[in-house]
Amino acid sequence: GEDVEQSLFLSVREGDSSVINCTYTDSSSTYLYWYKQEPGAGLQLLTYIFSNMDMKQDQRLTVLLNKKDKHLSLRIADTQTGDSAIYFCAESMGNTGKLIFGQGTTLQVKP
Amino acid sequence: GAGVSQSPSNKVTEKGKDVELRCDPISGHTALYWYRQSLGQGLEFLIYFQGNSAPDKSGLPSDRFSAERTGGSVSTLTIQRTQQEDSAVYLCASSLAWRESSGANVLTFGAGSRLTVL
Repeated sequence: GEDVEQSLFLSVREGDSSVINCTYTDSSSTYLYWYKQEPGAGLQLLTYIFSNMDMKQDQRLTVLLNKKDKHLSLRIADTQTGDSAIYFCAESMGNTGKLIFGQGTTLQVKP
Repeated sequence: GAGVSQSPSNKVTEKGKDVELRCDPISGHTALYWYRQSLGQGLEFLIYFQGNSAPDKSGLPSDRFSAERTGGSVSTLTIQRTQQEDSAVYLCASSLAWRESSGANVLTFGAGSRLTVL
């Protein structure tokens, strides 16, 4: 079945690293995605990773993929108050390319 | 247009009324998706359009929900006889035509239409 799971809430202090975790079910997903949603806004693509990679780094963002365990994580280095938002992981499904999203993790960054 | 536009941004309606939500995708994007975001439910897929046809309607929750797309562009999501459980933010996203061999499917989202059913 289609199921993407995330923890609902994470609180960190400014300057710390944040790690948001996600598990997915479809081993045939070729791409996995991280989106960010700020209050009152739509979702904004942060990054994505191809399923034959195990790591991707983009400035302060590091994505780790463990395909065997179907586990995806997003690490944000030097977390800032502007990083406070909801973070969604997603897997692409089937031949429509539709994305199946997790419930979202609310990241709270304390000054 | 430059981004995905949705209207109205906010809609308050009475239970039993019909509502229409509109999505204007990025010009040239042939793929269009509707999602629903409810508190505690995350993002729920509703329907996918490729051009004017909808090969995947599997997420529509009941026959009160329908959607159409005309001219390969604007899409309308219609909810008939609204119920309180329909209250949510309805998000539209578009992307370039996608095939499994063509790489990541990068969806661009609109800001959403917040529906409140009293």
